[in-house]
Amino acid sequence: RKEVEQDPGPFNVPEGATVAFNCTYSNSASQSFFWYRQDCRKEPKLLMSVYSSGNEDGRFTAQLNRASQYISLLIRDSKLSDSATYLCVVSDGGATNKLIFGTGTLLAVQP
Amino acid sequence: DGGITQSPKYLFRKEGQNVTLSCEQNLNHDAMYWYRQDPGQGLRLIYYSQIVNDFQKGDIAEGYSVSREKKESFPLTVTSAQKNPTAFYLCASKPPKGPSSGNTIYFGEGSWLTVV
Repeated sequence: RKEVEQDPGPFNVPEGATVAFNCTYSNSASQSFFWYRQDCRKEPKLLMSVYSSGNEDGRFTAQLNRASQYISLLIRDSKLSDSATYLCVVSDGGATNKLIFGTGTLLAVQP
Repeated sequence: DGGITQSPKYLFRKEGQNVTLSCEQNLNHDAMYWYRQDPGQGLRLIYYSQIVNDFQKGDIAEGYSVSREKKESFPLTVTSAQKNPTAFYLCASKPPKGPSSGNTIYFGEGSWLTVV
């Protein structure tokens, strides 16, 4: 089983749609969780951290379910500029807290 | 402006040659990382360094070498022993632990290496 698993997509959605991405992780000792956004042929950039209580940043909402080892990202009112690959990132739970990256979910928002 | 600078952005290497990718940061971060990204795969950790003059192998260190002689600099050498070096290479750094930094890492713009 992969340490971090994501549906690769692509998710093709119309502008204005709500879309949700899911991610599962295998290490119950993981303590830090993030969503990164990566545009084509660019470096990943931090979108948001994910907290146990859930957190929201504008149109983006992240949820964490530690019992099920599951993370989600909800994007409301999708914009064309949201088209990108979304990477689920989890710490390895070790002493150095290295980050493990999922393979990403591709989102294409259509006009 | 503070940031992480990688160079060169594009590099072509002949088989059997060693090449070095530069990574410089002026963020005063202690920890630095090198990742490799291949199409359809997640980022894989090559090497990391938590402090000057110290570095550790990541998951795919074979065929690579690094040095950390200065806090600001963490160059990666792709040696001829790396059989499939064509990839997108990303350098990253992490701020010191603090109330607002979490465990977040920040990336440079990446270097594209192609073997010809």
